[in-house]
Amino acid sequence: QVQLQESGPGLVKPSETLSLTCTVSGDSIRSYYWSWIRQPPGKGLEWIGYIYHSGTTNYNPSLKSRVTMSLDTSRSQFSLKVRSVNAADTAVYYCARDLGIANGPLDYWGQGTLVTVSS
Amino acid sequence: QSALTQPASVSGSPGQAITISCTGTSSDVGGYNFVSWYQQHPGKAPKLMIYDVSNRPSGVSNRFSGSKSDNTASLTISGLQAEDEADYYCSSYTNSNTLVFGGGTKVTVL
Repeated sequence: QVQLQESGPGLVKPSETLSLTCTVSGDSIRSYYWSWIRQPPGKGLEWIGYIYHSGTTNYNPSLKSRVTMSLDTSRSQFSLKVRSVNAADTAVYYCARDLGIANGPLDYWGQGTLVTVSS
Repeated sequence: QSALTQPASVSGSPGQAITISCTGTSSDVGGYNFVSWYQQHPGKAPKLMIYDVSNRPSGVSNRFSGSKSDNTASLTISGLQAEDEADYYCSSYTNSNTLVFGGGTKVTVL
């Protein structure tokens, strides 16, 4: 059974960097593309980007200038960094597995972690 | 990239069938057969219900079906049940090698 678990600080100050990690169990992190998605409170889903074990990444154009993803195969983890955060970055952040070839669908999701941007 | 367009809400009585639309452009929905649908109950992570326009993952009820015509994809829920009350999101692959989601549709079982 594939499981994903997000971890990281629940509170980040404005202008600082949001950092989250997703730990994958039950499957090889080398076998799929891995995505980050976020959902502001009461709003819809927004795709942030994906990463592959080769280091290939692609990001949502609206976030591209502030986002970096990385992957650690030895720990079965992949990570997200969002720089210069503001209140609009407050959201539940999900990590997910891409069943396809970076074309969706996202078949396994973490439970999500709420990150609040506030001083 | 612009979000795909979904109706804000759809409702139906138990046993009825409802359809949720998801409209994009030729750069996403219309250009690829990579449309997925997700169900999200309050406080929970989204669950994949349909992928590649009309395929159901193992374990998803056959009451859920998907289709596509031109730039619009559709999710149909037949034999509506109380447990189907949730938010539903479509997503599509785009010609920028990215994913885009719809704004979401709240399904209410009357």
